Amino acid sequence: GAVVSQHPSRVICKSGTSVKIECRSLDFQATTMFWYRQFPKQSLMLMATSNEGSKATYEQGVEKDKFLINHASLTLSTLTVTSAHPEDSSFYICSAIGQPSGETQYFGPGTRLLVL
Amino acid sequence: AQSVTQPDIHITVSEGASLELRCNYSYGATPYLFWYVQSPGQGLQLLLKYFSGDTLVQGIKGFEAEFKRSQSSFNLRKPSVHWSDAAEYFCAVGAGGNKLTFGTGTQLKVEL
Repeated sequence: GAVVSQHPSRVICKSGTSVKIECRSLDFQATTMFWYRQFPKQSLMLMATSNEGSKATYEQGVEKDKFLINHASLTLSTLTVTSAHPEDSSFYICSAIGQPSGETQYFGPGTRLLVL
Repeated sequence: AQSVTQPDIHITVSEGASLELRCNYSYGATPYLFWYVQSPGQGLQLLLKYFSGDTLVQGIKGFEAEFKRSQSSFNLRKPSVHWSDAAEYFCAVGAGGNKLTFGTGTQLKVEL
């Protein structure tokens, strides 16, 4: 149980385009989803927290107009990187908590974004 | 604010040897503590967690961790390491709003 999927697993796009990443909880209802960014050989940095049906809460320094997060249902959250630039290239990982995971975050497999 | 320190960036052990990965945390209240493992290019898999109760926690893949409040530590241990255990290991502390603060990770290499 407590499986989280992400799609796509990797994406290459041109600079200036927008990219959408999906995060789904497959076997539980995710009341809260988190989006992280991980640079090579570094730890995870929390970007934002999203609760189903409400606006996401962004961490300090994260541009909310650039990283659009939508959590419209209890099983799906999306992260859209708008007007992507090469510096947005990174590994993006989502996680989810809900019932019955409780306080435990379960992570998706991540999405590798490369902006050319 | 909470913080997590993993003092060892890299650790190399021989297959079959015992393993201990260190984790120290700073948090004002009773912490929720987690260990996750990440294989290259993959997401994080939960190994074990501590919320309350017995301070020695058993996890998957033969891992265990011990919560020591006096030392603010939550070290991960395994009595006999397998080659497939080679990965990046992250310790994390749970804060208010279910947020997690991660340590910088320890890269484990297993020599055959």
